[in-house]
Amino acid sequence: AQSVTQLDSHVSVSEGTPVLLRCNYSSSYSPSLFWYVQHPNKGLQLLLKYTSAATLVKGINGFEAEFKKSETSFHLTKPSAHMSDAAEYFCVVRLRGGGKLIFGQGTELSVKP
Amino acid sequence: DSGVTQTPKHLITATGQRVTLRCSPRSGDLSVYWYQQSLDQGLQFLIQYYNGEERAKGNILERFSAQQFPDLHSELNLSSLELGDSALYFCASSAGGLEETQYFGPGTRLLVL
Repeated sequence: AQSVTQLDSHVSVSEGTPVLLRCNYSSSYSPSLFWYVQHPNKGLQLLLKYTSAATLVKGINGFEAEFKKSETSFHLTKPSAHMSDAAEYFCVVRLRGGGKLIFGQGTELSVKP
Repeated sequence: DSGVTQTPKHLITATGQRVTLRCSPRSGDLSVYWYQQSLDQGLQFLIQYYNGEERAKGNILERFSAQQFPDLHSELNLSSLELGDSALYFCASSAGGLEETQYFGPGTRLLVL
C-alpha cells in the first residue's frame, strides 16, 4: 500500500534561515509525489510535483524537493525562509493508475522574525 | 486562484440535517475529486467523478453521495449529519488523465451543531 509519513508535525525557523520539511513515502513502484501548501483559511496550493523525470524538482516561491529512491524520501527545502512561508505543508503521493491522492498528516511551519 | 470554485464558503447546520456542497471545476477539466479535512482524520479522499461518471471511491460514508452534472459541476450531498461530520470539504479538479495535477478549491467549512 502507498503512504506518506511527514516526520515533523511542527517546524519553527527564523526568517532568512533554511527550511527543511521531511517526508518519507512507501510505495511498491515509482510514485508520483507532490507538496501542497495550505495557508490559514485558504485552500491547497500545489508547490511542486515529481513524476519520474528529474529527481530534483523546483517549485514555486523558491521551494524545491529531491526524490531519493534509496532513502524513500522527498524532503522539501528552501534556502531562506520568509514570513509569508508560514503555513501547513502536505506531502502527497498519488496512487499509480489512479487519481486518488494520499496525504501526509501535515507539517506546520512557523517563521520567527 | 486555482480556478476551482466552491459554494458555500461556510455552512452551519444541526445534527440530522442534509446539506449540499457545490463545486465548479476549472474550465475544461473533466475530473472532480472530493476530499474531507478533519482534525482527527486529516485530509482524506472521498470520491472522484470523470465526465459525469463515478471513477473512484475512497472513505466516503453511505450517508454521503455525490454526482457530476453534464456541465461538469459537482455536488456533494451529506445527509443525517452528525457532529463528527464537521470538517473542511475540498473539491479538486484535473484535466482528466490519471496523471494530471489536481487543483484545489478554497473549501467549504461545515459545522454541525
